[in-house]
Amino acid sequence: EVHLVESGGDLLQPGGSLRLSCAASGFTFSNYAMTWVRQAPGKGLEWVSTISASGISIFYADSVKGRFTISRDNSKNTLYLQMNTLRAEDTALYYCATVGPPLGAFDIWGQGTMVTVSS
Amino acid sequence: DIQMTQSPSTLSASVGDRVTLTCRASQNISTWLAWYQQKPGKAPNLLIYKASTLENGVPSRFSGSGSGTEFTLTIGSLQPEDFATYYCQQYNSYWTFGLGTKVEMK
Repeated sequence: EVHLVESGGDLLQPGGSLRLSCAASGFTFSNYAMTWVRQAPGKGLEWVSTISASGISIFYADSVKGRFTISRDNSKNTLYLQMNTLRAEDTALYYCATVGPPLGAFDIWGQGTMVTVSS
Repeated sequence: DIQMTQSPSTLSASVGDRVTLTCRASQNISTWLAWYQQKPGKAPNLLIYKASTLENGVPSRFSGSGSGTEFTLTIGSLQPEDFATYYCQQYNSYWTFGLGTKVEMK
């Protein structure tokens, strides 16, 4: 069974840093592009970042460009999101998801990990 | 950037109703459009991709149509488990979600 499990969420102060992880199982991780999507409390979905299966192609939303870094370790079946210079508006539930080919819709989602940025 | 506009923001309906949700793109996205269903406290679930292709396991009462800038999601006969929020998403140029349509019980 395909499974994505996010971890690393925390409560931290503005300006802080955090690394999220997404552990994948039940499929050939190295064959799939992966993505991060966030959802602020009571709000809609916001695409954050996507990385190709090989890790060569990377895309960011303007709201996180220069502050967040997506990466993956295909040997560990794990996706990462390094989040720096965090702001209150980054407070959200962060989901990881698989990306359908070629770089399409988001097929399988994890349950999310909560990041709260507050002083 | 491509903007996605969903209407209505809230739709009140009864079990058995035929329901139609609308999504408009700010520019031509061909058929690079997906629909997701999200229930409270749960992750989103992919329903339809490429505007009209039903994801595996999704009931046939769900259907999608449209191309270019105008798209619709139709639920043929609303079931109790269909009360949820629905999001459209374009993936023609990066990825953008609409703000969602909440389908609530009348």
